[in-house]
Amino acid sequence: KNEVEQSPQNLTAQEGEFITINCSYSVGISALHWLQQHPGGGIVSLFMLSSGKKKHGRLIATINIQEKHSSLHITASHPRDSAVYICAVRGADGLTFGKGTHLIIQP
Amino acid sequence: EPEVTQTPSHQVTQMGQEVILRCVPISNHLYFYWYRQILGQKVEFLVSFYNNEISEKSEIFDDQFSVERPDGSNFTLKIRSTKLEDSAMYFCASSEAGYTEETQYFGPGTRLLVL
Repeated sequence: KNEVEQSPQNLTAQEGEFITINCSYSVGISALHWLQQHPGGGIVSLFMLSSGKKKHGRLIATINIQEKHSSLHITASHPRDSAVYICAVRGADGLTFGKGTHLIIQP
Repeated sequence: EPEVTQTPSHQVTQMGQEVILRCVPISNHLYFYWYRQILGQKVEFLVSFYNNEISEKSEIFDDQFSVERPDGSNFTLKIRSTKLEDSAMYFCASSEAGYTEETQYFGPGTRLLVL
């Protein structure tokens, strides 16, 4: 079964800082998903990646298939970015979620 | 902007009772999913549904669970005989194409509490 590890588990930063959240997995996958879970519980899909890099606004996601690793970057972070960021991978054994990274951006 | 809706937002039920959680996916989407998140734990995949049949299910999705698309708009999750450990937030999602091809759109969730 695929093991999905996210780091850090918790991250507190100041507004404007560049943020990096990491996701590693143990078994080859066909796709990786980054999700954002708001404090109220709602989930928003950010990116779906199978290779390379994607950018949307201040968010950038990269994936290295050989190293089984993905990163989510937030540039010019803002308090409204405060949320739990979840990595989910699609492999032969189905869809596996990470535990999430709890991000707090302080003004 | 189109969105996935779920009803009810909260449900409290007695152990052993049947519950039906309802979802209205985005109208032109063809793939539908249910996930759950037990309080304080990670999100878990339950089932995916396409072309009126289950395309994939996790080991959590045992015989007490069933899904149905009873009409052209609703997508339901039924739990036949609820257990205390079924207490969780249940999320529905939909996508235009299959998981590896397309972003999923999530509903706001139904918080189920089994007493």
